[in-house]
Amino acid sequence: NAGVTQTPKFQVLKTGQSMTLQCAQDMNHEYMSWYRQDPGMGLRLIHYSVGAGITDQGEVPNGYNVSRSTTEDFPLRLLSAAPSQTSVYFCASSVERGSYNEQFFGPGTRLTVL
Amino acid sequence: DAKTTQPNSMESNEEEPVHLPCNHSTISGTDYIHWYRQLPSQGPEYVIHGLTSNVNNRMASLAIAEDRKSSTLILHRATLRDAAVYYCILSRPGGNQFYFGTGTSLTVIP
Repeated sequence: NAGVTQTPKFQVLKTGQSMTLQCAQDMNHEYMSWYRQDPGMGLRLIHYSVGAGITDQGEVPNGYNVSRSTTEDFPLRLLSAAPSQTSVYFCASSVERGSYNEQFFGPGTRLTVL
Repeated sequence: DAKTTQPNSMESNEEEPVHLPCNHSTISGTDYIHWYRQLPSQGPEYVIHGLTSNVNNRMASLAIAEDRKSSTLILHRATLRDAAVYYCILSRPGGNQFYFGTGTSLTVIP
């Protein structure tokens, strides 16, 4: 299994540009989520999905859109990039083990908005 | 979700035990305690989790206070590869939404 994969690894955007960060998992996990991590900070939840066709907002959803058309893929869209969105973005999927869920994280996408 | 408090940083000598504390005084009776770690330039990875009893696995041990208001992650023999940021996280049963604090940055001294 490749686990959770993210593309691209690095991206530079100009203010106002749009782009999509890709995330895919091959573990058949129902739950997927997106986090951002600013320098020296912990991860903050942006959006999450409990299954195909179902998404919801996390802690910091403004400026981002998501959709979940398949179990495997969970892309994150930046509609109009702003310098405040400069961050490292992590995608995660999780598997239920009884009443506990273990999360598996991708390697991250480092985004710079100029 | 309940919050956790951890020291910003800790140091340990290589091959010595490390005790990483976490306070979670507002924990509810059904919250799980998770520990994840983040190696430099990588995504977080699972370390251990527990509910009420102490737990051991191949990576670490988790000691949970009797009142559950604090817990301690124990690395029995720190290696240079254990240098990372360690996060203590609480979640409801079946909860997938993790709220990370700033974690503890562990430095291992050769």
